[in-house]
Order: sequence, then C-alpha cells, then structure tokens
Amino acid sequence: AQSVTQLDSQVPVFEEAPVELRCNYSSSVSVYLFWYVQYPNQGLQLLLKYLSGSTLVESINGFEAEFNKSQTSFHLRKPSVHISDTAEYFCAVTRPWGQGGKLIFGQGTELSVKP
Amino acid sequence: KAGVTQTPRYLIKTRGQQVTLSCSPISGHRSVSWYQQTPGQGLQFLFEYFSETQRNKGNFPGRFSGRQFSNSRSEMNVSTLELGDSALYLCASSSRGRSLLSSSYNEQFFGPGTRLTVL
Repeated sequence: AQSVTQLDSQVPVFEEAPVELRCNYSSSVSVYLFWYVQYPNQGLQLLLKYLSGSTLVESINGFEAEFNKSQTSFHLRKPSVHISDTAEYFCAVTRPWGQGGKLIFGQGTELSVKP
Repeated sequence: KAGVTQTPRYLIKTRGQQVTLSCSPISGHRSVSWYQQTPGQGLQFLFEYFSETQRNKGNFPGRFSGRQFSNSRSEMNVSTLELGDSALYLCASSSRGRSLLSSSYNEQFFGPGTRLTVL
C-alpha cells in the first residue's frame, strides 16, 4: 500500500520569500507523484507531476518539485512567493498499474503568504 | 471544453436522510472518480467508474454507493446520513482508458465539489 505524509500542516511566509512544502511517500512499488493546489471554495488543480524521466519537474507558475527516490520525497519549492499563492497544497501518489484513477493524498499544507 | 460540473454545490441534510450528488465529466471523458474531503481524514478515495462499471473502490461503508450512466455522468448516493458524512465531495474525470493495467497517465480534472452538511 502507498501512503503520503506532508510534514507541515501550515506554512506562513512573507511575500517574495522562498518556500518549501515537504512531502514524503511510502511505497513498495514505483509510483507517480503529484502536487495539487486547492483555492478556497474550489476543487483541486494539478500543479505538477512526476511520472518518469527528469527528477526535477516544473510548473508554469514558478513552482518546482524534485523526486528523490532514495529519500522517498517529492518536496515542492518556489523561490519567491506571491500573495496569490495562498492556498492549500496536496501531495498525492498513485501506482502506474492496477489503480485506475485512485489517488492517495497527503493531509495537505496550508500556505499563507503575508504582505 | 467545459470543466467538470457538480450539482448541487451546497446541501444541508439531517441525520438519517439520504442524499444524491451528481457529477458531469468533461466531454469525452469516460472515467469518473469520487473523493471525500474532511478536515480530519483529508482527501479519501470513494470509488471510480468507467463505462457504467465500478472498477475501483475505497474503504467506505456500504451506505456510500454510486453509479454511472451511458453518457458518463455519475451520481453518488449516501443513505442513512451520519454527522460524520459532512464533507466536501469531489468528483474527477479523466480520459483514462479501460485497462487498469495500462501505465499511461491521464490527468484527472476535478470539479468544484459539493459541500454536504449533515445536521
């Protein structure tokens, strides 16, 4: 079975500061990894994904995440955050085979960007 | 293309009642998954439907059920509501194909959710 742990439930940060949201996963098989973002009163939006290949993946709005197999981590980073990045962020995994659409999510990290 | 739509957006019920939530996937998507989101348990997978068949199920009691129609629209039903069923119910659709054995990835697109409050 797979599991996901997001190490911080809340991360307050000032605007234009760097941020790292931490995610560790547990799985005995290879996995696909994702970061989703949820703005208030909205559903989830895919921020970025790791399927295979380069371990560093980037989103169009400046976030990046690095897959580290030895440390079973997939931390999300942004060098300079904006007020509009305030949201809840979820790390998720799925198995490449036999899972259909089932995503396993972490508990979420609330990112609060202050002016 | 229109996104995933869920109706109603908000719902208030009392204990013991039953409720039906609806999800219309993105046009052309045949896979629909449902998730429950609560502050305590986080996001948990309920079930997935493909071509009117349930092909994956999470660890929820039998009070939670679903179905999918020939046009890929899906409904989920919760019978004998309990206070703990208060949650945001999210639906996601993807163009994922029939085989669970396929390793190809098809992005899941989430709807805005239905906020269910049980009093």
